[in-house]
Amino acid sequence: QVQLVESGGGVVQPGGSLRLSCAASGFTFTGDGMHWVRQAPGKGLEWLAFIRYDGDMAYYADSVKGRYTVSRDNSKNTLYLQMNSLRPEDTAVYYCAKGVTLYQLLIGTWGQGILVTVSS
Amino acid sequence: QSALTQEASVSGTVGQKVTLSCTGNNNNIGSYGVAWYQQVSHGAPKTVMFGNSLPSGIPDRFSASKSGTTASLTISGLQPEDEADYYCSTWDYSLSAAVFGGGTKLTVL
Repeated sequence: QVQLVESGGGVVQPGGSLRLSCAASGFTFTGDGMHWVRQAPGKGLEWLAFIRYDGDMAYYADSVKGRYTVSRDNSKNTLYLQMNSLRPEDTAVYYCAKGVTLYQLLIGTWGQGILVTVSS
Repeated sequence: QSALTQEASVSGTVGQKVTLSCTGNNNNIGSYGVAWYQQVSHGAPKTVMFGNSLPSGIPDRFSASKSGTTASLTISGLQPEDEADYYCSTWDYSLSAAVFGGGTKLTVL
């Protein structure tokens, strides 16, 4: 079955950087677009980024545009999120998610999430 | 403020039918399919509907519909395990971004 496992979270100081990884298995990774979504403590879901199946196109939320970069290595079945210039308000659980096969821009499967804390 | 508008809370009794709504505009719900996500006790979300399709493993008491710029999720025969936060989402072509509703807290009485 589809599995998405995030890693790379932790505590980082304001202004710092962190790279999240998402290891994908159980499906043809090269065939699906992928998303990143986050949830701040006590808040709702916030979409962050989408990358097309081939990595040639990506979209970002305004809140992270210019600071975050989504990428993928299809040879390793792995999705990444490079986060720079981190702010305390970026503290959240970050989810990797797979697009629905026929509706790539919607989310079909979610990872378990990983916590990122931005604090001095 | 979320791009999609959902009720803050909805409640129902076991066995009842409840409907959650999600209102957007012609750039989002009016132009693309809608997905619904269930999140129990702030665990990882789970997709319960995309378009009119039920993902594998989701009970058929869940159904969805869309009319113009409003989407709805209906749960027929409410069960205690359906108590959760529910979020709607779609793509917004004017923003070139996915958008979420603020979430509806469903309480099963």
